[in-house]
Amino acid sequence: EVQLVVSGGGLVQPGGSLRLSCAASGFTFSSYMSWVRQAPGKGLEWVSAISGSGGSTYYADSVKGRFTISRDNSKNTLYVQMNSLRAEDTAVYYCARGYGSGTLSGAFDIWGQGTMVTVSS
Amino acid sequence: DIQMTQSPSSLSASVGDRVTITCRASQTISTYLNWYQQKPGKAPKLLIYAASSLQSGVPSRFSGSGSGTDFTLTISSLQPEDFATYYCQQSYNTPRTFGQGTKVEIK
Repeated sequence: EVQLVVSGGGLVQPGGSLRLSCAASGFTFSSYMSWVRQAPGKGLEWVSAISGSGGSTYYADSVKGRFTISRDNSKNTLYVQMNSLRAEDTAVYYCARGYGSGTLSGAFDIWGQGTMVTVSS
Repeated sequence: DIQMTQSPSSLSASVGDRVTITCRASQTISTYLNWYQQKPGKAPKLLIYAASSLQSGVPSRFSGSGSGTDFTLTISSLQPEDFATYYCQQSYNTPRTFGQGTKVEIK
């Protein structure tokens, strides 16, 4: 079964850190991967992407310098390290396969179930 | 950043209705436009990629069209399971951006 399983969410204080993981199975984990978030009651916001090799990374301005995306292809796992968290980072975080325009025109075709990150004191 | 604007923000429709949602990009994006469906508490699901290509497993009542700056998602005959929120998204450049969403509700 093709799936992405996200873990690592929770409650963190402003200024704190959290690392999310996204475990892939059922497909070849060599594609671009992304993180997309959704604040409560709001729309979707792309956060970050990484190439299949991990050699290229991309970030939204809202998280640049605070979040770091990475991957371990030997473990079929995607990560995002989130530092200096702010209240406005509160959201459900999804991982998704996609970003590179060479595959499905860059669409996100497989999504994890999401994990809630709450930044509050 | 490329701004994506959907209209309407919400609509009420009946089962069997033909529904059209539009998405406009703030600059030309060729056909790098994708459509997603999201139901409450669930992850988004890809419906259409490259403006008009139907994702595998998606019913043929869904279709997409457009290029440049103006795009359309059409549901030819609305089914009960289609009541959801729909998002467009551009994959032309970074940052990837989404429309604000269109909520399709039961009339």
